[in-house]
Amino acid sequence: DVKVTQSSRYLVKRTGEKVFLECVQDMDHENMFWYRQDPGLGLRLIYFSYDVKMKEKGDIPEGYSVSREKKERFSLILESASTNQTSMYLCASSSAGGPNQPQHFGDGTRLSIL
Amino acid sequence: EDQVTQSPEALRLQEGESSSLNCSYTVSGLRGLFWYRQDPGKGPEFLFTLYSAGEEKEKERLKATLTKKESFLHITAPKPEDSATYLCAGNMEYGNKLVFGAGTILRVKS
Repeated sequence: DVKVTQSSRYLVKRTGEKVFLECVQDMDHENMFWYRQDPGLGLRLIYFSYDVKMKEKGDIPEGYSVSREKKERFSLILESASTNQTSMYLCASSSAGGPNQPQHFGDGTRLSIL
Repeated sequence: EDQVTQSPEALRLQEGESSSLNCSYTVSGLRGLFWYRQDPGKGPEFLFTLYSAGEEKEKERLKATLTKKESFLHITAPKPEDSATYLCAGNMEYGNKLVFGAGTILRVKS
């Protein structure tokens, strides 16, 4: 089974802090994704990556950056955390075998910015 | 703008009471429609991919169908363990990006 592991289940940070969310997958998947999930809004794509050192903006990239130095690891960075970034963050991965390869998700990091 | 809309927002069923969840989409050039199940405190778990109108897929008490404008997730004789949030997502014409609906919260009471 594919396993996507997010480093923290719960995280509390203060406004203005630099925050790192880490995600590791163990299936040698080429594609990795970061979403945020808010009630009533569904999952919204922040950034995604098709390969090491490659990244593309999703629908809501403002205030975020990403890093992919190794194939299995994809990090989401909040450069200067703000209260409107309080949310559930979900990481996912998929293989490059075509557009309909399912994305496999981690269990999320619930981030609170105070 | 690509959109995926799910209805109803919430559904309460008695055990054994069959029903359907709806997912309508305006994703241009849909290349695939995905259904996921999400339990509280967990990430979404993949259920089905549907590729073309008329296609159907089944898994236990769940059956997903696809038309040119919408998809249905039929739940036959549900059990309390089927309680979860069900998400659908459309794969845009270009790339591997998914557009998600807001989900349907299903509660099945015994």
